Amino acid sequence: DTGVSQNPRHKITKRGQNVTFRCDPISEHNRLYWYRQTLGQGPEFLTYFQNEAQLEKSRLLSDRFSAERPKGSFSTLEIQRTEQGDSAMYLCASSGRDRGPATTTDTQYFGPGTRLTVL
Amino acid sequence: AQTVTQSQPEMSVQEAETVTLSCTYDTSESDYYLFWYKQPPSRQMILVIRQEAYKQQNATENRFSVNFQKAAKSFSLKISDSQLGDAAMYFCASQGGSEKLVFGKGTKLTVNP
Repeated sequence: DTGVSQNPRHKITKRGQNVTFRCDPISEHNRLYWYRQTLGQGPEFLTYFQNEAQLEKSRLLSDRFSAERPKGSFSTLEIQRTEQGDSAMYLCASSGRDRGPATTTDTQYFGPGTRLTVL
Repeated sequence: AQTVTQSQPEMSVQEAETVTLSCTYDTSESDYYLFWYKQPPSRQMILVIRQEAYKQQNATENRFSVNFQKAAKSFSLKISDSQLGDAAMYFCASQGGSEKLVFGKGTKLTVNP
């Protein structure tokens, strides 16, 4: 299996601009997760998909954030009207091999992340 | 709500020695899972070891083992025969009641030659 990939690896933008990140999970993984990690902290959960369905969203995910997984494969995370406080590493993870509902907790495998800097 | 606490921001160990990283957690779930992840300077998070809470036996993976004390809600990681490649941030995480992982703030491990 190839691992989880994320693009771009780095993004520098000006405050107020929109940015979009992409995550390609491990093939056949049906669950995909987004986390945010700020300097000196552990990752914080943002949202989670099972196949195409977005099943859980954190309160951290404000109205400026939107995530999609239209075909149940790759996912995009968009941040509108970026703020300096959005500067962080955005991590994607995937898990699971069954197409059915999860019955056990599968290990989440992480991608290398996208580092966002908002000037 | 789940919480994970790592009380050691930094630890150091001599190469070939043993080091233990501490983690405590709190959860109201009866069924949950615990993890240690390693994040080297390149920053890709790698699973080190996982423990199912219903299992009494402590998990081991080669040089890595855990001391899972369920009543005390403690989940420490022991690294034996430390190697230079073990230098990284180590994160303890829990998962229960939902798919999300809840992470601690991490412990930076330095391995001295």
